[in-house]
Amino acid sequence: EDQVTQSPEALRLQEGESSSLNCSYTVSGLRGLFWYRQDPGKGPEFLFTLYSAGEEKEKERLKATLTKKESFLHITAPKPEDSATYLCAVQASGTYKYIFGTGTRLKVLA
Amino acid sequence: DGGITQSPKYLFRKEGQNVTLSCEQNLNHDAMYWYRQDPGQGLRLIYYSQIVNDFQKGDIAEGYSVSREKKESFPLTVTSAQKNPTAFYLCASSPGAASGRREETQYFGPGTRLLVL
Repeated sequence: EDQVTQSPEALRLQEGESSSLNCSYTVSGLRGLFWYRQDPGKGPEFLFTLYSAGEEKEKERLKATLTKKESFLHITAPKPEDSATYLCAVQASGTYKYIFGTGTRLKVLA
Repeated sequence: DGGITQSPKYLFRKEGQNVTLSCEQNLNHDAMYWYRQDPGQGLRLIYYSQIVNDFQKGDIAEGYSVSREKKESFPLTVTSAQKNPTAFYLCASSPGAASGRREETQYFGPGTRLLVL
């Protein structure tokens, strides 16, 4: 069964304290892996799409990487405004459905 | 600005009442999706549509119905058969198979919160 697991469920960081969020996946052929940021009461905001192992993408303090079994979202020197829930999703080959993890709630303290 | 709009932001349902959530996109995407989000759970797929006049049930379609008469619009009706409708509902779109593009990123609307009176 296709599955996505995100860890940790919650993470508290001091401002400037770098860390990584994990997204482990099991799919029968990966079509794409997607990272989103979601603020309370709002829709998910697209961050990155990764298609193949070894691929990396960066945006400001965020960097996403992909292996054959997992993806990491690295946050470098986070700021309080980076506080949000980060969602990971995968799309398997041969399907147009997306499978979401339950997210990591990140809190960055000033 | 291209994007997805959902209305209303908040919706209240009475017992035995059907309510309809609106979703419109101007991204020229072929595929559209409806998800339900509950606290502590991942997004669960209700219905999806890859092309106009065609749609498929997702994982939790019971008590919901949809239509796709226009490319830009994908309304969701929460029927009285849905016994636990209180949730945050998200509409999304992606280029879709008909576009022939590799890019399959989903983009989301702002959501509608449905509450039961």
